Amino acid sequence: GENVEQHPSTLSVQEGDSAVIKCTYSDSASNYFPWYKQELGKRPQLIIDIRSNVGEKKDQRIAVTLNKTAKHFSLHITETQPEDSAVYFCAAKGWGTDSWGKLQFGAGTQVVVTP
Amino acid sequence: GAVVSQHPSRVICKSGTSVKIECRSLDFQATTMFWYRQFPKQSLMLMATSNEGSKATYEQGVEKDKFLINHASLTLSTLTVTSAHPEDSSFYICSAEKEDTQYFGPGTRLTVL
Repeated sequence: GENVEQHPSTLSVQEGDSAVIKCTYSDSASNYFPWYKQELGKRPQLIIDIRSNVGEKKDQRIAVTLNKTAKHFSLHITETQPEDSAVYFCAAKGWGTDSWGKLQFGAGTQVVVTP
Repeated sequence: GAVVSQHPSRVICKSGTSVKIECRSLDFQATTMFWYRQFPKQSLMLMATSNEGSKATYEQGVEKDKFLINHASLTLSTLTVTSAHPEDSSFYICSAEKEDTQYFGPGTRLTVL
């Protein structure tokens, strides 16, 4: 089935700096890659997603890039603010025998933005 | 929009009792809903996939007789934790799928005494 690895596990940045989180996936048939932000005790919230027919997508301070050949995708947050502090999860939608139509999540990255 | 609600948000029960958690898609119909379990500082672990009008599909290692799932309508799926034990204490989160995207409910914090 699909396997998603996410790095780093923790990321501390100064307010205003950029943050980058990287994920790799194993199933070459995966075609949908969402990113979720989860604050403590709250629900995961979709912040951006990308499909396999697109290499890059941007929404204000957030961007995601996808390299299908290398099977990795990254989240970029620019001009970080304290409210960006949260756990971020990447995910890949697999289409293998055991992962048909399901999201496989990365382990998560705790982002801390210090003023 | 794509709003998903989940009730209750928090429940405390005695060991041996059953607890039902409801997941509703409020402004869209969802053929497929998912149930996850999340331990502190860990990722989301898929428990089962709930399809409207058919039996749920459980992930390996998840006891289907302990975690009963019913998806009776296109806007409601329920998870019943039967004969709950302290080790079932966790954060349970549902999601509903709309056009490839999963939208999550706010979660249910279950504590079994």
